[in-house]
Amino acid sequence: GAGVSQSPSNKVTEKGKDVELRCDPISGHTALYWYRQSLGQGLEFLIYFQGNSAPDKSGLPSDRFSAERTGGSVSTLTIQRTQQEDSAVYLCASSFSGATYNEQFFGPGTRLTVL
Amino acid sequence: AQSVTQLDSQVPVFEEAPVELRCNYSSSVSVYLFWYVQYPNQGLQLLLKYLSGSTLVKGINGFEAEFNKSQTSFHLRKPSVHISDTAEYFCAVSDLYNQGGKLIFGQGTELSVKP
Repeated sequence: GAGVSQSPSNKVTEKGKDVELRCDPISGHTALYWYRQSLGQGLEFLIYFQGNSAPDKSGLPSDRFSAERTGGSVSTLTIQRTQQEDSAVYLCASSFSGATYNEQFFGPGTRLTVL
Repeated sequence: AQSVTQLDSQVPVFEEAPVELRCNYSSSVSVYLFWYVQYPNQGLQLLLKYLSGSTLVKGINGFEAEFNKSQTSFHLRKPSVHISDTAEYFCAVSDLYNQGGKLIFGQGTELSVKP
């Protein structure tokens, strides 16, 4: 079954390094979301892509975070100059469209540990 | 801003007992409501959702939830739990007027079913 996939499943990095996290959404889904799950903050929205529209970046915590979505499919979340507080599980989700009633299908997440 | 409160961070219960996981949301505007479940080391999976119509919503695995507009609540219930229901449960809300359907999550409730 072709669900949402994310890679890597685990990433350990040193403080100050850059990391890239990848998300492959379900084929045909035009909407893609990134969330972050951390002990102190719970599940937080980061960024949303819908088709060719400008992304909703309102949840990105700082300018060290950026994301892109190429060809309306695969998305990459980049964190520059990682800090220890960036340690979390980064979840990607996709839905058929950006309609608020559509179910979001989540990937298994990437666990990021910043030493 | 929208917020979701899950009143219990942990709920221990014995197998075959009934359970209620509580969720309250802040906004008075129209919302869609969701319950997601996260089994250990897995991604989030939709249990059920309320969009409109009947206030009692039935989901997978025997769970149901009741939307109460006057109390801004969406509590999740199951009449008889199984060991396999052990997981973390997240209540989430999406504002009808929010473009893109980003979800605002509660902090989660860890359900632990004991034999």
